[in-house]
Amino acid sequence: NAGVTQTPKFQVLKTGQSMTLQCAQDMNHNSMYWYRQDPGMGLRLIYYSASEGTTDKGEVPNGYNVSRLNKREFSLRLESAAPSQTSVYFCASNLDRADTQYFGPGTRLTVL
Amino acid sequence: GENVEQHPSTLSVQEGDSAVIKCTYSDSASNYFPWYKQELGKRPQLIIDIRSNVGEKKDQRIAVTLNKTAKHFSLHITETQPEDSAVYFCAASGANAGKSTFGDGTTLTVKP
Repeated sequence: NAGVTQTPKFQVLKTGQSMTLQCAQDMNHNSMYWYRQDPGMGLRLIYYSASEGTTDKGEVPNGYNVSRLNKREFSLRLESAAPSQTSVYFCASNLDRADTQYFGPGTRLTVL
Repeated sequence: GENVEQHPSTLSVQEGDSAVIKCTYSDSASNYFPWYKQELGKRPQLIIDIRSNVGEKKDQRIAVTLNKTAKHFSLHITETQPEDSAVYFCAASGANAGKSTFGDGTTLTVKP
């Protein structure tokens, strides 16, 4: 099992550009999450999907959109990137909401 | 919603000493309490967890205790080693919650 995979690993964008971060899990998990982690800071929840077909806002959803494409895949889109979105983005999944979260390796995004 | 407070934010100990990190939560319906370790540049990974029907759980040098009445849980690391140096996150979630709530993290430094 690959677990949780994320692409790309690194990305540099210019202000105003758009991009989509991809996340996939092969553990048949129901719930998936997107977090951002700024240097020296904790994990802030951007969006989550408690089950296939549903998505909900987390703490910091502004400037982002998500799509739960199917049970395996959960993508995060930045429509118009801003320097404040420079961060490391982690995708995670778990079988149920009250269960261990498994994290992907992260995407390091820099917006110039 | 759930609120999780974690203390201390930084902790420095000598190799061989014990380390204790504490978290409090607000939602009495929360019933799952994991602890994650994040090494520098890596993803968070589960090190131990506890459910609300258990008061204490131990795994070699790591233990977690839960006090449901007081709504707090703690991570105990004995005989610390330099490789224990990392950021530790606590979290709380319940079956009826859409997501886990994470603490802000504790940076543990173990000095040789």
